[in-house]
Amino acid sequence: KAGVTQTPRYLIKTRGQQVTLSCSPISGHRSVSWYQQTPGQGLQFLFEYFSETQRNKGNFPGRFSGRQFSNSRSEMNVSTLELGDSALYLCASSLELGTGVAYTGELFFGEGSRLTVL
Amino acid sequence: GENVEQHPSTLSVQEGDSAVIKCTYSDSASNYFPWYKQELGKGPQLIIDIRSNVGEKKDQRIAVTLNKTAKHFSLHITETQPEDSAVYFCAASKPPNTGNQFYFGTGTSLTVIP
Repeated sequence: KAGVTQTPRYLIKTRGQQVTLSCSPISGHRSVSWYQQTPGQGLQFLFEYFSETQRNKGNFPGRFSGRQFSNSRSEMNVSTLELGDSALYLCASSLELGTGVAYTGELFFGEGSRLTVL
Repeated sequence: GENVEQHPSTLSVQEGDSAVIKCTYSDSASNYFPWYKQELGKGPQLIIDIRSNVGEKKDQRIAVTLNKTAKHFSLHITETQPEDSAVYFCAASKPPNTGNQFYFGTGTSLTVIP
């Protein structure tokens, strides 16, 4: 069974540009979450999508956005890049059968997309 | 919102010794507490978890304890091995009907010295 796939793995951008990151979840997983990982800050929650709807959103500015497609694949976009956006962006999928239905809660992470903003 | 604090940030132990990582959380509504291990160049991977209706859970050399009253939980690794060297993250989450939003600690870099 294929794991969570994130593309691209590495990218370099300059301030002011925008970037789009892609995530393909494990087959059958309908919940996709995005996290930003920086040294000393740990993993900070960006947003979560379930069945093409944003279900939760973290405390990030509106420059950070995302979407989920009908096949559960997800993209996140960062516009007007700032130096502080340099980070590892992790996508995680989770098997959830539906709201209120018990599930394990386990997140399956991809290897991340490392963004460097110059 | 929830705030998860994790200590220590770095930990070095001799092979065969035990390692303990501690986390505290602030929101009493949190009821699911997983621990993730992240190896270099990889995404975090779940190693053990505990729910609020359980005080302790063990899986071979790894155990997690939860004190709901004090709002803290700990990861215990016994008989450490070099392959245990990694960054460990604790996390807290609320009931599933609010979605998959996890609050992570800042991580503990564990080094096991052969």
